[in-house]
Amino acid sequence: NAGVTQTPKFRVLKTGQSMTLLCAQDMNHEYMYWYRQDPGMGLRLIHYSVGEGTTAKGEVPDGYNVSRLKKQNFLLGLESAAPSQTSVYFCASSYGGQGNNEQFFGPGTRLTVL
Amino acid sequence: SQQGEEDPQALSIQEGENATMNCSYKTSINNLQWYRQNSGRGLVHLILIRSNEREKHSGRLRVTLDTSKKSSSLLITASRAADTASYFCATDGSYNTDKLIFGTGTRLQVFP
Repeated sequence: NAGVTQTPKFRVLKTGQSMTLLCAQDMNHEYMYWYRQDPGMGLRLIHYSVGEGTTAKGEVPDGYNVSRLKKQNFLLGLESAAPSQTSVYFCASSYGGQGNNEQFFGPGTRLTVL
Repeated sequence: SQQGEEDPQALSIQEGENATMNCSYKTSINNLQWYRQNSGRGLVHLILIRSNEREKHSGRLRVTLDTSKKSSSLLITASRAADTASYFCATDGSYNTDKLIFGTGTRLQVFP
């Protein structure tokens, strides 16, 4: 099993450009999450999904949109990239959403917005 | 805002020594988890402790939880150079358990 995979691994955008980050998991997990990690800030939750067709806002949702059309995929979109969105983005999934379920993380996408 | 705050922010020790990291959180929880992150990689789950547990062990890891002080500690015994990584605590909320809130992490450096 591949676990959680993320595409792409690296990306450089210019301010105002758009892009979509793809997360895929092969563990049949219901819950999926998008985080961003900035130096000294730990991980902050952007959006999450509790099942196919559902999405919910996390701690820092502004400037991002998500979709969960298929259970195994969770897409994160940036409609108009800003330098403040330069970060490392991690996707995670878990069997259940409660805090007694461990989350499995992807390898991350390093995004730079110029 | 962050739920968990780790202390210290950075820790450097020699191989064979023990490493202790602390996590403090703000609101009531049901569960607390610890994760490890090697440089440039995703996080990996280490251990989970429930709010009704006080101590838990897994190999060289020992986690304690004091809900009255809203704090947890992670002890790594007999550290190895391969333990060099960042360590994060993550808590759920007693009201919304659909997500975890991560702390800012402790960077551990173990010198051979």
